[in-house]
Amino acid sequence: DVKVTQSSRYLVKRTGEKVFLECVQDMDHENMFWYRQDPGLGLRLIYFSYDVKMKEKGDIPEGYSVSREKKERFSLILESASTNQTSMYLCASSPRTSGKNEQFFGPGTRLTVL
Amino acid sequence: AQTVTQSQPEMSVQEAETVTLSCTYDTSENNYYLFWYKQPPSRQMILVIRQEAYKQQNATENRFSVNFQKAAKSFSLKISDSQLGDTAMYFCAFMDYSGGGADGLTFGKGTHLIIQP
Repeated sequence: DVKVTQSSRYLVKRTGEKVFLECVQDMDHENMFWYRQDPGLGLRLIYFSYDVKMKEKGDIPEGYSVSREKKERFSLILESASTNQTSMYLCASSPRTSGKNEQFFGPGTRLTVL
Repeated sequence: AQTVTQSQPEMSVQEAETVTLSCTYDTSENNYYLFWYKQPPSRQMILVIRQEAYKQQNATENRFSVNFQKAAKSFSLKISDSQLGDTAMYFCAFMDYSGGGADGLTFGKGTHLIIQP
């Protein structure tokens, strides 16, 4: 089974802190994604990556950056956390060519910024 | 840019009933995929069903089927013989395949489906 893991289920940080959210997938997928989920807003794409060291902005990249140094790992970075970044963060991965285009999601990290 | 609209924030039905969740989308693309994802209370998002836009036949997966109306840009999910385990948030999602599938999904806001015993 495809497994996408995220480093923390719950995280509490203070305003201004630098925050790292880690995501690891074990199925050699080329594509990886970061979404944030907010009640009443659904999921919104923050950043995605289609290869090592490659990154593309999604719909709401402001205040975030990403890093992909290894194929299996995709990190989301909040350079200076703010209270409006309190949210659930979901990581996903997918193979480059499968004909199915299914994205596999991790369990999520609920981040609270105080 | 694509948009996905789910007009039912919450629905509640009795166990064993059939329920239909609605989804409409807006795009100028011709090559795309549509998905329904399920997020149970434990939060792990899983794929329910997918539809390729070029296929006219509606996708089915056991008790789950879709009604894909391409001209109307409508993509509803029907759950037959609903079960307590179907209680979850359901998200409709769109993927523009012009990027070869490397692009992210555009999600609707979700429908909270509650199956009552």
